[in-house]
Amino acid sequence: NAGVTQTPKFQVLKTGQSMTLQCAQDMNHNSMYWYRQDPGMGLRLIYYSASEGTTDKGEVPNGYNVSRLNKREFSLRLESAAPSQTSVYFCASSEYFRGYTEAFFGQGTRLTVV
Amino acid sequence: SQQGEEDPQALSIQEGENATMNCSYKTSINNLQWYRQNSGRGLVHLILIRSNEREKHSGRLRVTLDTSKKSSSLLITASRAADTASYFCASVRAGGTSYGKLTFGQGTILTVHP
Repeated sequence: NAGVTQTPKFQVLKTGQSMTLQCAQDMNHNSMYWYRQDPGMGLRLIYYSASEGTTDKGEVPNGYNVSRLNKREFSLRLESAAPSQTSVYFCASSEYFRGYTEAFFGQGTRLTVV
Repeated sequence: SQQGEEDPQALSIQEGENATMNCSYKTSINNLQWYRQNSGRGLVHLILIRSNEREKHSGRLRVTLDTSKKSSSLLITASRAADTASYFCASVRAGGTSYGKLTFGQGTILTVHP
């Protein structure tokens, strides 16, 4: 049971470079999320997708784009990385069954922008 | 701003003692969830309480929800050193365009001393 799989686990980028963080879930969930976590802070929502074909901005969407490629996959793209985007990124998925269920998280991607 | 605010920010107790963490939120919710995170790893779901529930138990965990005060508390009884972790509340908004969005508080760092 893989659950939520994120790749890569670690990444170092130079300022201005671009990259895509990949996320896939095998639980047939409709909803998927991207969060960032900075030291001493909780998780802040970047983007979420309530269902395949829909995406919506969260609290901190600037500098990011997302693609809900299909029901399984939800990718996060940094077009021009900045040092302020150094963070740990988490992908999560959940389902709606008589109300939303718990979210399942990937192990995170540690991104450093130098 | 974060949907959930938690206190205390840090809690240090001895093994065997009880730990209580509080969470406040701002908007109407579908449900409220508590998660645990060990050392920057992925979050693990602990317990979910729906907006029409007032109290829920799971093993050594007890969660209460007061929708009139927009607050929740997590009680861990008979704590163990292995309970040392960060604990986050997360609320799922009800209705509107943000339906299903899962928003986290800043977390409580719990340290349980042997």
